[in-house]
Amino acid sequence: GAVVSQHPSWVICKSGTSVKIECRSLDFQATTMFWYRQFPKQSLMLMATSNEGSKATYEQGVEKDKFLINHASLTLSTLTVTSAHPEDSSFYICSARDGTAIYEQYFGPGTRLTVT
Amino acid sequence: RKEVEQDPGPFNVPEGATVAFNCTYSNSASQSFFWYRQDCRKEPKLLMSVYSSGNEDGRFTAQLNRASQYISLLIRDSKLSDSATYLCVVNANTGGFKTIFGAGTRLFVKA
Repeated sequence: GAVVSQHPSWVICKSGTSVKIECRSLDFQATTMFWYRQFPKQSLMLMATSNEGSKATYEQGVEKDKFLINHASLTLSTLTVTSAHPEDSSFYICSARDGTAIYEQYFGPGTRLTVT
Repeated sequence: RKEVEQDPGPFNVPEGATVAFNCTYSNSASQSFFWYRQDCRKEPKLLMSVYSSGNEDGRFTAQLNRASQYISLLIRDSKLSDSATYLCVVNANTGGFKTIFGAGTRLFVKA
């Protein structure tokens, strides 16, 4: 199957700092990428959908000024958590969709963020 | 009501047992359905797609009932390695592509 990478796989940062997470599709062009967040023992919650070259669409309740998404190329999307707080500590997972298979998503391995 | 509902479990079963998971969805316009498996602290991995005609992959059988908006996953001859969380996933393309994940059902297979 298609491969999606995320970097970093884990990060610890201090309150008030910003953290950038990268999501790359390695062997296909991802017209759409999704960013999810998962708290312990809970399901994945979609944060935003990003299409290459356009602004991301955020889900209700997700602050677009806090979670900055950039999808500048067909193989790279970034999520920046600005002014991180301990409650932002979570597992962030991206997924990418190949333009030819609209219902199949390929997930990255996730990034575990801990804000102290 | 949640858009995709699953029994959270956990299901504790012995090796070799048969176990069934259920899932219901509320959006009648949903178009595609999947079961994913998620191991602890890992990303979800696609287990199988679900079709109205039913589909089988080795020990795993998935079924979809569109009239009842119900999806099932049956695991036969459970292995220790089947221990994981199983996520029911529903896609709809109503005013935009939308994927909804169920909260997952935890399975523990014991020796």
